[in-house]
Amino acid sequence: DVKVTQSSRYLVKRTGEKVFLECVQDMDHENMFWYRQDPGLGLRLIYFSYDVKMKEKGDIPEGYSVSREKKERFSLILESASTNQTSMYLCASSLGAGGGEQYFGPGTRLTVT
Amino acid sequence: GEDVEQSLFLSVREGDSSVINCTYTDSSSTYLYWYKQEPGAGLQLLTYIFSNMDMKQDQRLTVLLNKKDKHLSLRIADTQTGDSAIYFCAESALIKAAGNKLTFGGGTRVLVKP
Repeated sequence: DVKVTQSSRYLVKRTGEKVFLECVQDMDHENMFWYRQDPGLGLRLIYFSYDVKMKEKGDIPEGYSVSREKKERFSLILESASTNQTSMYLCASSLGAGGGEQYFGPGTRLTVT
Repeated sequence: GEDVEQSLFLSVREGDSSVINCTYTDSSSTYLYWYKQEPGAGLQLLTYIFSNMDMKQDQRLTVLLNKKDKHLSLRIADTQTGDSAIYFCAESALIKAAGNKLTFGGGTRVLVKP
C-alpha cells in the first residue's frame, strides 16, 4: 500500500524559530512536492524535487527552503518562521514518468505565534 | 500561467446527485484530476481523465470534460453522507520531461444533508 508520512500532525512554533517539516515516502517515487493549503486558496506549490539533491521553486517559495538528500525524504525548512506561515502543509510524491498522479501525506498543521 | 477555478460550496440532499464544476486555463494539460479531502486528512485521488476523452465513468462517479470550454465536472450519483468533503480539481503540466506538476483549484466543500 502506498504511503507518504509526515513527521508531525500538529506543530506550534514561535516567530523567528527555524522549523523543519519532514516527509518520507516508501514508493520509490522520483518526484516529491511541498504544498501549503489555506481556506479558499486550494493548494499552492512551494517547492518540488524531481531527483535527489535537485529542487525547483514552485509558485510561493519565499520564506522557505528544501532539502532532498535521499530519494525517500524531502524536508521543508522555514528559516525564520513568521505568523503568515501559519497553515496546513501537505507533502506529496509521484512517479517520474506517467500521468502525474500524486500521493499525499496526512498534512502538518503549523501554527506560528 | 495555469489557473483553476471552482465554486466554494455545494449543499445536496442524501440520495440526490451532486455536480461539482471546474474551469481551467492550460489547454496543454494532458490529465485532469479530482481529489477528495476528508476532515483532518490529506488528499485522496478519486478519479482522473485523459485530455482526449470526453467522459469517464467509475461506479458512482462520472467525469465530463469539455476541452473547447476548458470545463471539467464531477458528478456523484446517489450522494451519501460519507461524500461530505472538500473536492479539488487539478490540471497537470509537464516538469522538464520528469513528470507532472499539478495546479489545484481552491476546492469545493460539499455538504450532504440527511
